Amino acid sequence: DTAVSQTPKYLVTQMGNDKSIKCEQNLGHDTMYWYKQDSKKFLKIMFSYNNKELIINETVPNRFSPKSPDKAHLNLHINSLELGDSAVYFCASSPSRSSNEQFFGPGTRLTVL
Amino acid sequence: QQQVKQSPQSLIVQKGGISIINCAYENTAFDYFPWYQQFPGKGPALLIAIRPDVSEKKEGRFTISFNKSAKQFSLHIMDSQPGDSATYFCAARTGGGNKLTFGTGTQLKVEL
Repeated sequence: DTAVSQTPKYLVTQMGNDKSIKCEQNLGHDTMYWYKQDSKKFLKIMFSYNNKELIINETVPNRFSPKSPDKAHLNLHINSLELGDSAVYFCASSPSRSSNEQFFGPGTRLTVL
Repeated sequence: QQQVKQSPQSLIVQKGGISIINCAYENTAFDYFPWYQQFPGKGPALLIAIRPDVSEKKEGRFTISFNKSAKQFSLHIMDSQPGDSATYFCAARTGGGNKLTFGTGTQLKVEL
């Protein structure tokens, strides 16, 4: 049983394209997150939603837009992809916005050519 | 601005030895300090965590030591095993949304 799933696992695309990454959790959690892990493995939060409401929005280019259709899903849409967007993107969830543990998905490796 | 500094960047330990990873923070508003373990191709997973009102927490072979006055905390892995080979991240949380700030990671390799 997959707790936090992401699709696709790998994404290779050209500069300037628009792409989306989907995330779903079947844990019944209220809070979901997007993280970016760069080539040096540095992990940084991008966004967090709690019950479909945006609660964390770090300094991220406007080209990145999260969308939460319901509390089990948090998708990430990226417009006008740039070389520097190449990274592994992780989705995570936690029972609530004050919970201690965050459960991470397997990651989506985005390569922009 | 790196709010959580982690060292060393990489570590090689012999099987059965002790692995020690150190972290330091600046923001006194942090209220929870977890360690995450990441295997290649996988997402990070919570390993052990501590709150700032406790100086030490032990779970099996893993121990966190916490020094609030020095704003430092460390992970000790006793009797290190090859299966412990992974990247370890310390983190610190600020409340109000459960925002985690991660250290830069330590790649641990345990050799036979």
